[in-house]
Amino acid sequence: GENVEQHPSTLSVQEGDSAVIKCTYSDSASNYFPWYKQELGKGPQLIIDIRSNVGEKKDQRIAVTLNKTAKHFSLHITETQPEDSAVYFCAASIHPSNYGGSQGNLIFGKGTKLSVKP
Amino acid sequence: SAVISQKPSRDICQRGTSLTIQCQVDSQVTMMFWYRQQPGQSLTLIATANQGSEATYESGFVIDKFPISRPNLTFSTLTVSNMSPEDSSIYLCSVRFSLKDTQYFGPGTRLTVL
Repeated sequence: GENVEQHPSTLSVQEGDSAVIKCTYSDSASNYFPWYKQELGKGPQLIIDIRSNVGEKKDQRIAVTLNKTAKHFSLHITETQPEDSAVYFCAASIHPSNYGGSQGNLIFGKGTKLSVKP
Repeated sequence: SAVISQKPSRDICQRGTSLTIQCQVDSQVTMMFWYRQQPGQSLTLIATANQGSEATYESGFVIDKFPISRPNLTFSTLTVSNMSPEDSSIYLCSVRFSLKDTQYFGPGTRLTVL
C-alpha cells in the first residue's frame, strides 16, 4: 500500500522567511495530494491541494509543487507570519477522474511542526 | 466546504466505560470517515461510515471496539467501547461531498481515559 514520508518533523523560521516541507510517496497510482494545517486544539484544515495533472499550484503565500517522476511533492510558504505556526500534514491518495477509476483513502505523513518566530 | 460539528468536544472517562461521539454535517455528503490521532501523532483512518450498512474498518480496528452508525447523509456516530488509557486520543470526523472531492475534517473530540 501507499506510504508517505514527510520531512522535516520540526521547522523553525524567522518571520518573513520562507518555509519548505517535503513529502515522498510510494504508490505511483496516487494522483491527489492535499496539505492540511492543524492548529493547537483544532481539527486539520485543508490549505491547498494538487492533482497529478499539474506540476505546481499557488494560492497567495502558499504553493505546492509535484514531481511525479520522483514521487515527491512540497509545500512552500513565503513571507511567513507567526500565525503560520502549526502542524502541517501532507497526504496522498487515489482519486477517480472525471472518467471514473479507483478511489483510495488518504494516507498521511507524520506531520511537520512549524514555528515562526517574530 | 462543509461545516462539521462534533459532540462532545472533549471528555474524561473511566477505564471500562464507553463513549459515543456524534458528527453532524450541515449538508449531505457522500462519504464520512472516522480517524484517530494519538498525542503528537499523525491521523489514522479507523473506518468509513456507510449509510444504511456496516462500516468498512481498516486493519487493526474492529466493530466490537469501535461500532459506527450512519443513519443518513449528514450524521454519524462512533462509539469507543470498553475504554482503556491507550484509547486516549483525538477522534476526528471527516467528510467528502463526492469521490473526487477534497476531504474536510471536524474539530475533533479529545478523549482522555483514566
